Amino acid sequence: DQQVKQNSPSLSVQEGRISILNCDYTNSMFDYFLWYKKYPAEGPTFLISISSIKDKNEDGRFTVFLNKSAKHLSLHIVPSQPGDSAVYFCAASEDNAGNMLTFGGGTRLMVKP
Amino acid sequence: DVKVTQSSRYLVKRTGEKVFLECVQDMDHENMFWYRQDPGLGLRLIYFSYDVKMKEKGDIPEGYSVSREKKERFSLILESASTNQTSMYLCASIKGGGNRAGNTIYFGEGSWLTVV
Repeated sequence: DQQVKQNSPSLSVQEGRISILNCDYTNSMFDYFLWYKKYPAEGPTFLISISSIKDKNEDGRFTVFLNKSAKHLSLHIVPSQPGDSAVYFCAASEDNAGNMLTFGGGTRLMVKP
Repeated sequence: DVKVTQSSRYLVKRTGEKVFLECVQDMDHENMFWYRQDPGLGLRLIYFSYDVKMKEKGDIPEGYSVSREKKERFSLILESASTNQTSMYLCASIKGGGNRAGNTIYFGEGSWLTVV
């Protein structure tokens, strides 16, 4: 059973508009959440993270929101650019669990010019 | 700048062959990981290592083994390759101390393995 789920396998957005990628988790012990971006034929690269003591973290065009009661987080990209087209993975780790990450299945974002 | 290097980007192997996937990191990271990525399943952890000569099973270790003889090198071994091991394999490393701000996991570029 997947502990981290990204229910939308793909998302298409017009350039300049907002992209919202969603992620749900089931393990209440997760206390740190990350988003990774992956281009074809490349490894994932770290994008942004959030600790469970926060509900929002912003870095330029990227904002991650965490709703602990709903066990839900989302990544907002504003404004979306064609270069943002990639697969986005949500990941989570537990407190005191070292460096173990549990990944979601990924969402392919396509930003149309 | 952290660099995680996977020496083989694209491989085609026959069923039953022994396959070695090599990974080297240059940042003196304690912890190293092997994942495989399959469509819709995300990244699944095969094995990880917190120290030289130390290894732990991840979520899907069956059919795989690993070797960590040196701190910078972590090898994934498929003793007898099967077609269901056709996948993209990703090596990763992180400094010891947990996933926290300023200390995150870094991935290699991936190795595409096709088993025919």
